[in-house]
Amino acid sequence: SQTIHQWPATLVQPVGSPLSLECTVEGTSNPNLYWYRQAAGRGLQLLFYSVGIGQISSEVPQNLSASRPQDRQFILSSKKLLLSDSGFYLCATRGDPGTRGYTFGSGTRLTVV
Amino acid sequence: AQSVAQPEDQVNVAEGNPLTVKCTYSVSGNPYLFWYVQYPNRGLQFLLKYITGDNLVKGSYGFEAEFNKSQTSFHLKKPSALVSDSALYFCAVLSSSASKIIFGSGTRLSIRP
Repeated sequence: SQTIHQWPATLVQPVGSPLSLECTVEGTSNPNLYWYRQAAGRGLQLLFYSVGIGQISSEVPQNLSASRPQDRQFILSSKKLLLSDSGFYLCATRGDPGTRGYTFGSGTRLTVV
Repeated sequence: AQSVAQPEDQVNVAEGNPLTVKCTYSVSGNPYLFWYVQYPNRGLQFLLKYITGDNLVKGSYGFEAEFNKSQTSFHLKKPSALVSDSALYFCAVLSSSASKIIFGSGTRLSIRP
């Protein structure tokens, strides 16, 4: 079965500092990978998704970028964080629709101060 | 295009009473429908899915959902609520031709003792 590892679990960063959040997947190959942001404990905003190495689709214009250097690795980055980048970031992978839809990581709580 | 709506931001139920969390969807083609639950500062956990077959789907923790094609709904139900069911619930939809699952805005379920 698929497992997603996300780290760190919590992060406090000053405004203007860089960001790197990492997500790795086990139990599958060539997965579709997704980064979501959740603000104020409510809805999920899809930020990026990737269907393969080096293939990134951006859903919304923003201060963040994503990269997929390896098949099962998905990285969310920023060169200079803004206060508005605070939120709960979730990585997900898509299984076959006949299974469980998406599998989510445990999330990273980012607070920009 | 596909979309999903959760019309209630919050649902309040007394422990032991039945609960319903509403979800309606719009897709072209056959829908794949999902319910997820999120506890504070955690990733989303799969509850149940509808792919095909019986309209009443049973899932984890005693939850069930009824697929109604004519009303394009997929309401989540439980016959007897527990305080531990208090959490944020997300409905999600995927059309057979799409590459991304679309999530609803979430419904906060609060069960009072």
